[in-house]
Amino acid sequence: DQQVKQNSPSLSVQEGRISILNCDYTNSMFDYFLWYKKYPAEGPTFLISISSIKDKNEDGRFTVFLNKSAKHLSLHIVPSQPGDSAVYFCAASAGTRRGTSYGKLTFGQGTILTVHP
Amino acid sequence: DAGVIQSPRHEVTEMGQEVTLRCKPISGHDYLFWYRQTMMRGLELLIYFNNNVPIDDSGMPEDRFSAKMPNASFSTLKIQPSEPRDSAVYFCASSTVGGSEQYFGPGTRLTVT
Repeated sequence: DQQVKQNSPSLSVQEGRISILNCDYTNSMFDYFLWYKKYPAEGPTFLISISSIKDKNEDGRFTVFLNKSAKHLSLHIVPSQPGDSAVYFCAASAGTRRGTSYGKLTFGQGTILTVHP
Repeated sequence: DAGVIQSPRHEVTEMGQEVTLRCKPISGHDYLFWYRQTMMRGLELLIYFNNNVPIDDSGMPEDRFSAKMPNASFSTLKIQPSEPRDSAVYFCASSTVGGSEQYFGPGTRLTVT
């Protein structure tokens, strides 16, 4: 049972354009969401996060949108750069504020983003 | 500051052998996580510790897997005996606040032949 799903295995965009990566979840207990970026032969690195009390969080070129009713979040990268080419993982956590299941992240399968010059 | 350190980076072993993976978390982090990444199952949490105490080991696949954290700066993941289906990349991560902003090590690529 995959609780966090990234249905697009890959995405290709032109440099300067917007990249939109999508993520769906099924567990209504999830209240904290994160995006990680992973380059080959390296560990995932934290990119941006959002709490369920918000619907948008922005950090430079990266914006995460959360639609709780649809159980959907997306990561927007504007403008996309060739250095953004990597695998992007969506992750979710439940009970972060209540202290239960604290620390447990559930990851999606990842989306390979390729940004062409 | 040094990040999360894992050793070895690559391990090739024969089926039936014992494998020990090592992790040094970031100093001051009180949560430590072990993950496994495979093509079939993606990135899955195996076990995590808080202040050196195992909190949730429900992701450990079977009794052949064990993890310890004898002190705040060191953890091991042991597989005994190893099997070809254990071949994967194993990541260690640490954080100060569980569930958010985990910092990952470079991973250990394990191949069991």
